[in-house]
Amino acid sequence: GDSVTQMEGPVTLSEEAFLTINCTYTATGYPSLFWYVQYPGEGLQLLLKATKADDKGSNKGFEATYRKETTSFHLEKGSVQVSDSAVYFCAVFGTSYDKVIFGPGTSLSVIP
Amino acid sequence: SQTIHQWPATLVQPVGSPLSLECTVEGTSNPNLYWYRQAAGRGLQLLFYSVGIGQISSEVPQNLSASRPQDRQFILSSKKLLLSDSGFYLCAWRGPGGKFFGPGTRLTVL
Repeated sequence: GDSVTQMEGPVTLSEEAFLTINCTYTATGYPSLFWYVQYPGEGLQLLLKATKADDKGSNKGFEATYRKETTSFHLEKGSVQVSDSAVYFCAVFGTSYDKVIFGPGTSLSVIP
Repeated sequence: SQTIHQWPATLVQPVGSPLSLECTVEGTSNPNLYWYRQAAGRGLQLLFYSVGIGQISSEVPQNLSASRPQDRQFILSSKKLLLSDSGFYLCAWRGPGGKFFGPGTRLTVL
């Protein structure tokens, strides 16, 4: 079945550091890929998405490119801020099933 | 615009007591609805999903159940809570831009 693997956290970075959170997936067909963010004390929010190979999703300075050849959708940001501290979830929206498969989440802490 | 409501926001229940969490969606019809649980230190776990009234699919066998009595209402229930049921419960609906989540219910079972 479909699955998502994310790098283990927690990740701690200094402000303005470069961020990469790895995400790889297994899925049949051509799934859509998502990154969600959960800020402390809040629910999940959609951060960005990509629906086909080589698409780049971007939002709030975050980017992720749909790499079908490596089945990856790594999240990147050039310069993180303290306000980016949150848990980030990679997700696969398969075409065969009417549901989203989430990765386990990666906790990010950004320190001043 | 579409909105999703959950209540209660927080709940503390003793072991063995019943549970009922409610989720309602506004601004859309016939949505696909989902219940997720986020346990402390763990990722999201899909519990149930529903594609229509009375249609429930269970992902993980456990002492929880779900029902969909109305098009935009999704209820998560238990007859007897376990300590391991503690967690953050999220209701979600699927829209064209992705999956959108409610504010969540934090359940503590003592």
